[in-house]
Amino acid sequence: EAQVTQNPRYLITVTGKKLTVTCSQNMNHEYMSWYRQDPGLGLRQIYYSMNVEVTDKGDVPEGYKVSRKEKRNFPLILESPSPNQTSLYFCASTLRTGVYEQYFGPGTRLTVT
Amino acid sequence: QKEVEQNSGPLSVPEGAIASLNCTYSDRGSQSFFWYRQYSGKSPELIMFIYSNGDKEDGRFTAQLNKASQYVSLLIRDSQPSDSATYLCAGFSGGYQKVTFGIGTKLQVIP
Repeated sequence: EAQVTQNPRYLITVTGKKLTVTCSQNMNHEYMSWYRQDPGLGLRQIYYSMNVEVTDKGDVPEGYKVSRKEKRNFPLILESPSPNQTSLYFCASTLRTGVYEQYFGPGTRLTVT
Repeated sequence: QKEVEQNSGPLSVPEGAIASLNCTYSDRGSQSFFWYRQYSGKSPELIMFIYSNGDKEDGRFTAQLNKASQYVSLLIRDSQPSDSATYLCAGFSGGYQKVTFGIGTKLQVIP
């Protein structure tokens, strides 16, 4: 089954404790992306990757890191989480940019206390 | 600055009516547009995409694009209570190689 998986689905952590949210897709997609979704602000892109070893900042990259060492995986790293990073996070992938549909993961609800 | 604008709603329509959802965009380099439906707490799912001026129909859904006026719309005919969700408009910018989402319009279909 074609899918995007994210782990964990729910996470409560404390300020400053490094964490990684994993994202994996099994569709051989080139383009992967991380979004955060906050009430009243919609989906905002954090980082994206157009292919292996090619990443770039989205609209809200501060406080986040990513890597793309393999085509299927695109982890999101919060090296020192802060309460303002409490949000719902989605990973998405698409075959290529342009007219192709983005497939979204199930989401990770992160709470930083 | 926000590149894709939507009215957050809620937009309430009676069951069986036509729901009209609108979206405007500021980046004239935007090449293609997507409508996603998102139920509360769930991930967005694609309804339609459009990249040419005019209308595109798929079942009860019709997407409309007017590049001169920089707006995109989604019509839902014969609205059903199961259509109650938030509808996200998104535009792809070839220049920036990224997709920008609007804040979404909440649709409520009243039985």
